[in-house]
Amino acid sequence: DADVTQTPRNRITKTGKRIMLECSQTKGHDRMYWYRQDPGLGLRLIYYSFDVKDINKGEISDGYSVSRQAQAKFSLSLESAIPNQTALYFCATSDSGNYGYTFGSGTRLTVV
Amino acid sequence: GENVEQHPSTLSVQEGDSAVIKCTYSDSASNYFPWYKQELGKRPQLIIDIRSNVGEKKDQRIAVTLNKTAKHFSLHITETQPEDSAVYFCAASIGNYKLTFGKGTLLTVNP
Repeated sequence: DADVTQTPRNRITKTGKRIMLECSQTKGHDRMYWYRQDPGLGLRLIYYSFDVKDINKGEISDGYSVSRQAQAKFSLSLESAIPNQTALYFCATSDSGNYGYTFGSGTRLTVV
Repeated sequence: GENVEQHPSTLSVQEGDSAVIKCTYSDSASNYFPWYKQELGKRPQLIIDIRSNVGEKKDQRIAVTLNKTAKHFSLHITETQPEDSAVYFCAASIGNYKLTFGKGTLLTVNP
């Protein structure tokens, strides 16, 4: 089935380490997003991309970077992880002609 | 940018009762308002959405209402069942631009 796949599902890393979270999709959607979920804070947008050559910062982009390697792949990097980046990270996709998002299964990241 | 406020943050109801979750938004240009349901340990999934040219939309036990003048919209769940227990998120956007989400409502349906 067409879907949005995130890897890894869970990750524990140490403060100061660089880590990459990956997202790939088989839905053929052109738009991809990275959100962060924290208890009581909802889903906050980190970065988004409307096509391969388009990258935009969201509301909480500091400390993060992204790469859109292909239409189907969008990676999120934490250059130097810190404990307050411990959270559940979701990738999502949408189509320019259809408004709804499809979310990936999420990556639970713990920075110790 | 857009700001979406969602209330209440937690809601507990008895099975069979109705549940209402309310959201307000700040940007009068927003015209797309989806609702997502997130069960424990799972991804958010779209359950219903409404666009600004419509005041109400229903899908079985779920309905959404929109008041553009007041800039608020609500999710109504009737005849609640234990499987309705989840976190519900409202969101808003201008067309199919990026979504801004509310902080979520934890709904618990007690048998």
